Amino acid sequence: TQLLEQSPQFLSIQEGENLTVYCNSSSVFSSLQWYRQEPGEGPVLLVTVVTGGEVKKLKRLTFQFGDARKDSSLHITAAQTGDTGLYLCAGERTGNQFYFGTGTSLTVIP
Amino acid sequence: NAGVTQTPKFRVLKTGQSMTLLCAQDMNHEYMYWYRQDPGMGLRLIHYSVGEGTTAKGEVPDGYNVSRLKKQNFLLGLESAAPSQTSVYFCASSYQGGSAGTSQPQHFGDGTRLSIL
Repeated sequence: TQLLEQSPQFLSIQEGENLTVYCNSSSVFSSLQWYRQEPGEGPVLLVTVVTGGEVKKLKRLTFQFGDARKDSSLHITAAQTGDTGLYLCAGERTGNQFYFGTGTSLTVIP
Repeated sequence: NAGVTQTPKFRVLKTGQSMTLLCAQDMNHEYMYWYRQDPGMGLRLIHYSVGEGTTAKGEVPDGYNVSRLKKQNFLLGLESAAPSQTSVYFCASSYQGGSAGTSQPQHFGDGTRLSIL
C-alpha cells in the first residue's frame, strides 16, 4: 500500500477548464512537494509547502497543504495544453526520506 | 551545467545477471537518492545517502545494493537481476536538508529504463 494516494489517477479535460488533484494520507508530513514529470524525463519540482493550511500560487496553479499536514491539493485554473504531464506529490518524513504519491496523469485537449 | 546524469539510459538483462547503474551530479549536493518508478505506483525510494561514505535503506531495498565512494557519484547495483526489477530507475540529489519542514528540492536525472527477461 502507498503512503500517499493521489486522485484521480487519470484526468482528461478540455483546454480552459479547471481541475483539482488530491494527495491524501493518514500520516503526517513535515513538508510536501509537488512535481511535474514529462515523458522520458525526471520529475521537476513545482512547489514545496511546509505549514499546515499553507496556500501557494504559481501562476494558474494553486497548492494547499492540509491543516493537519496529512493531505494536499493542486488546483489548475484555465488549463492549457502545456499543463499536460504526470503530477506527483511527495511527502517528507524524518531523515529527509520522501514518499511519493501514486501520480495523476493529466491530458489537456486543445 | 549537466545537473544529474544517469548511465546507461536503457538496458536489457537476463534473469540472474548483474549490473551497476551510475548516477553523477555536479551540483555539490550532499544528499542522493535512488528511486524506481512503476505504473500506478509513483516513485518508491530504494536507497539513499546523506553524504560521502554513508548509505541507508529506503522503502524497497531488497535485491539492491548501493555505494557512495565519492560525493558526486551514487551507484546502484543489482547482484542477481529478477523480472520483478524491471522498472524505470531515477536518481536524484539535493542540498543537505535542514530541520524538519525545510526540505530541499530534489533534482532528478532522466532515468534508466531497465528490462529483465
